[in-house]
Order: sequence, then structure tokens, then C-alpha cells
Amino acid sequence: DAMVIQNPRYQVTQFGKPVTLSCSQTLNHNVMYWYQQKSSQAPKLLFHYYDKDFNNEADTPDNFQSRRPNTSFCFLDIRSPGLGDAAMYLCATSSLAGERDEQFFGPGTRLTVL
Amino acid sequence: GQQVMQIPQYQHVQEGEDFTTYCNSSTTLSNIQWYKQRPGGHPVFLIQLVKSGEVKKQKRLTFQFGEAKKNSSLHITATQTTDVGTYFCASMGNYGGSQGNLIFGKGTKLSVKP
Repeated sequence: DAMVIQNPRYQVTQFGKPVTLSCSQTLNHNVMYWYQQKSSQAPKLLFHYYDKDFNNEADTPDNFQSRRPNTSFCFLDIRSPGLGDAAMYLCATSSLAGERDEQFFGPGTRLTVL
Repeated sequence: GQQVMQIPQYQHVQEGEDFTTYCNSSTTLSNIQWYKQRPGGHPVFLIQLVKSGEVKKQKRLTFQFGEAKKNSSLHITATQTTDVGTYFCASMGNYGGSQGNLIFGKGTKLSVKP
């Protein structure tokens, strides 16, 4: 089945130690998103790629970076994780094809910062 | 910027009772999407409404989009324990550089007592 895959599902890192989260998709969607979701809150968009065009949200800290080497893969790099970065990180994709603008979410990576 | 307000934040119902969550915006929305997130899970797309006054049904779920396209509701008839989760409304950003982005409401967390 076509889907959005995130690895790892759980990631533990130390304060200040860089970490990379990965997302892959078999849907061939041109848009990929990274969200941060903290407990009992809505997903907060960090940035998205429309094909190779990177779009950063104004309030996304510089500590968060992203790479999209090809259509299928997208990475979230957290350069120096702080305790406040502990959260669920969700990857999503969309084709933005006319009336079908739904986003398909991956299962998420839960990040713990020690 | 565009905001979507969602109420209530929490709703506790007895199994078999009805449930409604509401979303409101001060600006006209291009569309409204609804997502369900089960505890420990990721958001899953339910439906998209585009037209003024649109009403769509999925079994016990009824979705409405207001005539002015500034509000929407999700109504569940005769809730079941499988309906437990957080329901988010979300609207597509309609300002420059943000096309394709979803603006999420804060969500309504539904709990159902058997």
C-alpha cells in the first residue's frame, strides 16, 4: 500500500546532540511537510517542500533544518536539541491536486531529549 | 494571520449520546478539512468541504460548511467508544507563500464513557 513512513518511531537523544529524523513516501506527492506536535496540542507546521522549493514558517527556530534529496525522501535535522524540542514529529504529504488537498500523515517520530 | 478557532476543547459523553465540535474563522475560508487523531496515533483525514453551505455525511458523522464559509461543524450521532480521539478542523492557507499549508484548530478531545 502507498504510504508515508517515518523512521525511527522513537528517538532518544541528549541535550545538544544533533539528531536526524527521516520520512519517505510511496505516494509520489509533490509536497512534503514537517510538523511538531506537543502533548494535547495541534500539529504545528515547521516547514514544507513544494517539489524542491523549501518554505520555512516564520517562527520555526534556526535549530531546525530540512533536506529533500528526492521526491520520496525528506529529513528533519535538529542541530542542537533542547528539552523544549521533545515532541512528536509528524511528516505529511499532499498532492494539492484540485479538490484533493488532503494531507497524508506518517505515524510520527516521538523525540525524547535527556 | 489566518486563524481557526475550535470549540469545545474537551467533550465527555456517555456512549450513545451525540457530539458536536465547531470551528470558526473571522475570514472566509477557501475550504475546511477535518482530521481525527486517535490516542497515540497520527491525524487521519476524514473529509474536505469546499462549497458554501455544503453538507456531507459519513455514516454517523455529519459535516457542515457555513453559508459564509467562515464556520464548520462536525456532528457525531450516537457516539461509540471507537469515536474516541481528538478531532481537528483545518483550513488551507490562502495567503502568499502558504498555499497548501493547513491552519489547524486546537482540536476537540472526545472521550466516550461505555
